[in-house]
Amino acid sequence: AQKITQTQPGMFVQEKEAVTLDCTYDTSDPSYGLFWYKQPSSGEMIFLIYQGSYDQQNATEGRYSLNFQKARKSANLVISASQLGDSAMYFCAMREGNNFNKFYFGSGTKLNVKP
Amino acid sequence: NAGVTQTPKFRILKIGQSMTLQCTQDMNHNYMYWYRQDPGMGLKLIYYSVGAGITDKGEVPNGYNVSRSTTEDFPLRLELAAPSQTSVYFCASSRRGASGTDTQYFGPGTRLTVL
Repeated sequence: AQKITQTQPGMFVQEKEAVTLDCTYDTSDPSYGLFWYKQPSSGEMIFLIYQGSYDQQNATEGRYSLNFQKARKSANLVISASQLGDSAMYFCAMREGNNFNKFYFGSGTKLNVKP
Repeated sequence: NAGVTQTPKFRILKIGQSMTLQCTQDMNHNYMYWYRQDPGMGLKLIYYSVGAGITDKGEVPNGYNVSRSTTEDFPLRLELAAPSQTSVYFCASSRRGASGTDTQYFGPGTRLTVL
């Protein structure tokens, strides 16, 4: 079974609008961490946001927020007020347990922001 | 503070050739990782290291070897290159393997083509 599933290969959003990128995960370990990374066309991986499995509140970092629904095992990324520079691939990832040796990435969502 | 650096940026190998991908970090991180990213896919863990002299296999270790003689360096060796090893290789490091908000910092990647 896939550890991380991203069902949207590509998304379009109008500049200044909000967009939600979907991510579901699969683990039986009670301790895990969820991450979102941005990969622009230049190729580097940029860390965006983190949510721990025991965190009570949804994580937020500037225009990024993570909609964490533990019972549904979903960790959707919400980008508010999209900018042209947000056009990139976005990867959801999960650290299972407390070590990065069990670190799984989804297949990514390509976001295009239209002017 | 350069973070994680990788060399070379690009390389073309012939089938059966060998090469070493270099990775260096200047953040004094104990944990280091090698990933590969195949086209249109997320990253998969090849090998990781929890400190100098200690390495272990990740999800896709076949065809690769690593060593960790210093905290800073974590080279990845490809022996007998095969077309299936055509990929983008990312090195990453983290302060520790355990959780919290600790994340991995990625290098810029090495694009390898095996013909």
